[in-house]
Amino acid sequence: KQEVTQIPAALSVPEGENLVLNCSFTDSAIYNLQWFRQDPGKGLTSLLLIQSSQREQTSGRLNASLDKSSGRSTLYIAASQPGDSATYLCAVTNNQGGKLIFGQGTELSVKP
Amino acid sequence: DGGITQSPKYLFRKEGQNVTLSCEQNLNHDAMYWYRQDPGQGLRLIYYSQIVNDFQKGDIAEGYSVSREKKESFPLTVTSAQKNPTAFYLCASTWGAGGNTEAFFGQGTRLTVV
Repeated sequence: KQEVTQIPAALSVPEGENLVLNCSFTDSAIYNLQWFRQDPGKGLTSLLLIQSSQREQTSGRLNASLDKSSGRSTLYIAASQPGDSATYLCAVTNNQGGKLIFGQGTELSVKP
Repeated sequence: DGGITQSPKYLFRKEGQNVTLSCEQNLNHDAMYWYRQDPGQGLRLIYYSQIVNDFQKGDIAEGYSVSREKKESFPLTVTSAQKNPTAFYLCASTWGAGGNTEAFFGQGTRLTVV
């Protein structure tokens, strides 16, 4: 059974720092991995989607990498801003259709 | 604007009542999903539908029911059999059902038992 883990559970950094969020999964037979952002009391916003054949995706200050063989993905946020404060979730899909299997999330706080 | 609309944003249920959460999408997506989010437990799949008039149970389907009569709509009913329904409910959709397309989410419905 696929399990997804995110470390750390919470992270606090000063504004301007570059930071890395980690996501690991136990079964490497994934179709894709998706990173989401969730603000308090809100739905999920898709940040980046990495297909299983890809190694990384970039969008603005965000860069996500995928290493299927080791079961790991990282989300790199450059020059963090207070507006980046949110919970970041990673999720994978496998050969059972579009069902997402989620990690518990990392709660990020960027201090001015 | 294309997207997923969930309503209501807040819902209060009395003991023994059934309540229905609405989810509508105008993205022309084939597949739709319902997830439940509890503090400290992440998101868990309740039901999903890959095509109209067909749906499957997810990991925590007991006490819930769904229908998929139209491509755009996937309502979730929380029945009185669900013993702990207080949670945040999220609806999602994907263009395909094969697991290799991006998922989009609605803004959620917070259900509270009073």
